[in-house]
Amino acid sequence: DADVTQTPRNRITKTGKRIMLECSQTKGHDRMYWYRQDPGLGLQLIYYSFDVKDINKGEISDGYSVSRQAQAKFSLSLESAIPNQTALYFCATSETNTGELFFGEGSRLTVL
Amino acid sequence: AQSVTQLGSHVSVSEGALVLLRCNYSSSVPPYLFWYVQYPNQGLQLLLKYTTGATLVKGINGFEAEFKKSETSFHLTKPSAHMSDAAEYFCAVSERTYKYIFGTGTRLKVLA
Repeated sequence: DADVTQTPRNRITKTGKRIMLECSQTKGHDRMYWYRQDPGLGLQLIYYSFDVKDINKGEISDGYSVSRQAQAKFSLSLESAIPNQTALYFCATSETNTGELFFGEGSRLTVL
Repeated sequence: AQSVTQLGSHVSVSEGALVLLRCNYSSSVPPYLFWYVQYPNQGLQLLLKYTTGATLVKGINGFEAEFKKSETSFHLTKPSAHMSDAAEYFCAVSERTYKYIFGTGTRLKVLA
């Protein structure tokens, strides 16, 4: 089983719908991240969390919200999806003393 | 402020030829530097990283990268390309905080 699991892997929705992307990890890491990947733009940070009570906005948080339900779970919500939120979303974790990010396999979201 | 520049969004090499993917960075403090690889429909996985110490870093699948502070570069190389190396490669920099800056990616094509 993957260390970082994202659900759903693919989702097609309509403008205005609420969408939740879920992430769970078995690595025991405190730090969790949500990134967005668009072709030619690399990865951009949406939100990050250092622990259950510490949640912070990243570069592109507008239109998104998150919930850290437990050390192992970090969910990303789009309250009212719009077409320019069509992208590939990645959850990642890190252990502070190594610096390495561990990624899930991604959630591809299409907003029509 | 941190930044990462990857020269060449697409690189093609013949099977057995040298692979060279270029990455230049800017950072106000000694950085952590990373190369990640992304295969189709998968998340990013770490190829190699530089934190401190030896400037020539060896990674998985025969890749290596050299940290050159004077040139602010961290180019990725592999002596002999294999068909299985076809993927997208991302360079990233961290100033040893939560924040990672990713380059825009280089898609490597390996020609038979």
